[in-house]
Amino acid sequence: DGGITQSPKYLFRKEGQNVTLSCEQNLNHDAMYWYRQDPGQGLRLIYYSQIVNDFQKGDIAEGYSVSREKKESFPLTVTSAQKNPTAFYLCASSSRAAGEKLFFGSGTQLSVL
Amino acid sequence: KNEVEQSPQNLTAQEGEFITINCSYSVGISALHWLQQHPGGGIVSLFMLSSGKKKHGRLIATINIQEKHSSLHITASHPRDSAVYICAVDADKLIFGTGTRLQVFP
Repeated sequence: DGGITQSPKYLFRKEGQNVTLSCEQNLNHDAMYWYRQDPGQGLRLIYYSQIVNDFQKGDIAEGYSVSREKKESFPLTVTSAQKNPTAFYLCASSSRAAGEKLFFGSGTQLSVL
Repeated sequence: KNEVEQSPQNLTAQEGEFITINCSYSVGISALHWLQQHPGGGIVSLFMLSSGKKKHGRLIATINIQEKHSSLHITASHPRDSAVYICAVDADKLIFGTGTRLQVFP
C-alpha cells in the first residue's frame, strides 16, 4: 500500500542536541512538506520541496534544516538553534496535480528533556 | 485576523445528529481541503474541492467561491466521527485553520 511513513513516533531532545525526523513516501509524489503543530494553532509550514535537490523555507524555518536527495525521502533536522522545539511534527506529500489530495504521515511528537 | 477561520471551535453532539462545520477564508484560493485528525495525531484528507459539492458516505463538503465559505456536513453522526476537523486553503501555499474539535456521544 502506498503512503507516508514518519519515524520515530516519539522523540526526546537534550539541550544543545540536533535530532532528525524521518519522512519517507512511496506515492511517487514530487512535493513534500514539513509542518509543525502546536496546541490551539493551525499547522505551520517549516520547509517544503517541489522537486529533488531543491527545497524552500516556509513560515517558520529558523532552527530547522532539510534535505531532498531522493524523491522518496525528506528528513527534517531540528537543530540546537530551535529554542522551542517541543511540538507535533507532520510530514505531507502531494502530486500537486489538479484534484489531488494531500497525504500525511502519522506524525512525530518531539519533546525536550 | 487569521486568513482561515473555522467555527465552531468545539462541538458536541448526540449520536445520529446532523453536524455542520464552517470554514471562511479571506484570500484567493485554487482549492480547499477538509482534513480529519484523530487523537493519535495522524491526518487523513477527506475532500479537496474547488467548486460545488462533494459527497463521500455520510460526509458532504460544499464550497461557495464568491462568498469564500465552505461547510463540512456529517449526516447521522457516530462516536467514531469524533476527531478534529481542519480546513486548509491552497493559496500558493497551504493555510490551515485551527480546527474544530467534534465529540459525538452515544
